[in-house]
Amino acid sequence: EAGVVQSPRYKIIEKKQPVAFWCNPISGHNTLYWYRQNLGQGPELLIRYENEEAVDDSQLPKDRFSAERLKGVDSTLKIQPAELGDSAVYLCASSFLGLQFFGPGTRLTVL
Amino acid sequence: AQRVTQPEKLLSVFKGAPVELKCNYSYSGSPELFWYVQYSRQRLQLLLRHISRESIKGFTADLNKGETSFHLKKPFAQEEDSAMYYCAASNTGKLIFGQGTTLQVKP
Repeated sequence: EAGVVQSPRYKIIEKKQPVAFWCNPISGHNTLYWYRQNLGQGPELLIRYENEEAVDDSQLPKDRFSAERLKGVDSTLKIQPAELGDSAVYLCASSFLGLQFFGPGTRLTVL
Repeated sequence: AQRVTQPEKLLSVFKGAPVELKCNYSYSGSPELFWYVQYSRQRLQLLLRHISRESIKGFTADLNKGETSFHLKKPFAQEEDSAMYYCAASNTGKLIFGQGTTLQVKP
């Protein structure tokens, strides 16, 4: 089993450009999470999905961030436009029976 | 506010020495506590879950509700234990992580 898959693994963009991250959760996991991890910090939840419904997006900066999980499987997280402070690792996780399994993350650098 | 605190950013020990990684939490209700580990160039993975009461790779963690702590311990550190360790808490499916502690085990 491949585990949670994320792409791209690295992304470098200039500020004000858009960027998108993709996540494929473990098969059968209905719950999907997006986290942001700033340098030297633990991950912080951005949004949680139960199937295709966003059940907790209170920490998602909605002016520039958006996410979708069509058909309750894959998910995409988008930033438009990106700011310098968005440089971080973006982690996707999926869960089963309360245990979260993490993907390798996408390291975003905004110049 | 719900918070998980790991007071040490770096813990450096010699091989064979005991290890204790500290974690304190401030949480309403009775959260579930976890330790996650991230080895170099690997993804974040679950190490321990307090309700399992298991010993994984020689590590144990005891939940002390009175002190609101969930410290991670190992009696004899190995070089392969060198990694970043995160304590996390959850009572709604939402994990709140501490800032992490880098464990460095020297030969």
